Amino acid sequence: DVKVTQSSRYLVKRTGEKVFLECVQDMDHENMFWYRQDPGLGLRLIYFSYDVKMKEKGDIPEGYSVSREKKERFSLILESASTNQTSMYLCASSVTGTGVTEAFFGQGTRLTVV
Amino acid sequence: TQLLEQSPQFLSIQEGENLTVYCNSSSVFSSLQWYRQEPGEGPVLLVTVVTGGEVKKLKRLTFQFGDARKDSSLHITAAQPGDTGLYLCAGESYSSGTYKYIFGTGTRLKVLA
Repeated sequence: DVKVTQSSRYLVKRTGEKVFLECVQDMDHENMFWYRQDPGLGLRLIYFSYDVKMKEKGDIPEGYSVSREKKERFSLILESASTNQTSMYLCASSVTGTGVTEAFFGQGTRLTVV
Repeated sequence: TQLLEQSPQFLSIQEGENLTVYCNSSSVFSSLQWYRQEPGEGPVLLVTVVTGGEVKKLKRLTFQFGDARKDSSLHITAAQPGDTGLYLCAGESYSSGTYKYIFGTGTRLKVLA
């Protein structure tokens, strides 16, 4: 079974802190994604990566950065956490076939910024 | 811009009832996926539909891809409390030469015993 593991289930951070969310997948998938999920807004794509050291902005990249130094690991960084970044963060990985993406998700990290 | 609209947003039904959830877009998708998410967990893939008009069945769940590959539906027969969750459709979107994997707005289903 594909396993995507996020480093924390719950995090509480203070405004202005630098926050690292880590994600590891064990299936040698090329693609990795970071989404945030908020009530009424659904899943919104923050960043994704289709290869090591490659990254692409999603729909809401402002206030975030990412790092992919190894194929299995994709990190989301909040440079200076703000209260409006309180959310559920979901990491996913996939192998892309021709027009078919099937994503496998981690369990999510619920981040609260106080 | 949200390209995948789901309806209804919320659905609360009694055990044993049937229901249909819709996923609509003005764009053509090469495939669509359906996921179910339970509270506090990440979404889990249920099915992929690829061919226009395709119908796939997963026990009491029937998934259909529209002929024009712009929409999809999920029909649940004789719903059970275990079907409770957030149902999401998703697909690849190409815009300005960039590929993105986007999700629909979601349908939150509650099945009452």
